[in-house]
Amino acid sequence: SAVISQKPSRDICQRGTSLTIQCQVDSQVTMMFWYRQQPGQSLTLIATANQGSEATYESGFVIDKFPISRPNLTFSTLTVSNMSPEDSSIYLCSTRQSEGETQYFGPGTRLLVL
Amino acid sequence: AQTVTQSQPEMSVQEAETVTLSCTYDTSENNYYLFWYKQPPSRQMILVIRQEAYKQQNATENRFSVNFQKAAKSFSLKISDSQLGDTAMYFCAFSRMNRDDKIIFGKGTRLHILP
Repeated sequence: SAVISQKPSRDICQRGTSLTIQCQVDSQVTMMFWYRQQPGQSLTLIATANQGSEATYESGFVIDKFPISRPNLTFSTLTVSNMSPEDSSIYLCSTRQSEGETQYFGPGTRLLVL
Repeated sequence: AQTVTQSQPEMSVQEAETVTLSCTYDTSENNYYLFWYKQPPSRQMILVIRQEAYKQQNATENRFSVNFQKAAKSFSLKISDSQLGDTAMYFCAFSRMNRDDKIIFGKGTRLHILP
């Protein structure tokens, strides 16, 4: 299975600022996903990021608020822009090598917006 | 649209007992994957077990096994000889079998293993 790391592991941010979360995988993967997990809730997919193409966003999520980069097959970033307290969540990166393969998750980034 | 329902928000069992977590799902697909993920307090999502819908045999992984009832759209997880380290949030999840197969998660069941 792929080993996935995320930076930062946690952060406390002020309202109106932006935070970029990094996701690094120890092997080349085709598909990368970004999820949000609000306090006490399940995981909600924000977007799918494939290398060489624009990220595909789920309903309720927009590129201006959550811009994503996928410069190569081992790395992706998610930016949470113009943050508000409602953005306080755990953000998780996950990957899948190819269709039908199991999806693995990073350790998550715990974000608190004051 | 696919949905995943976990009807037990929270459960507690004594160490060494067997516990079953329930999950039902709704889909019009014939081929798909089902998963159970575990999220301990560390918040790391860990795959517990996976089932392909085209396989009739129930998946097992050591102390973890599933009861997959395709016609009933039911996918329960049984944990045998439960251990303190099994304390976690458990998510049932569904994924279609094609290139765009994002995972859809249930709301989770918080499981406490009591000493």
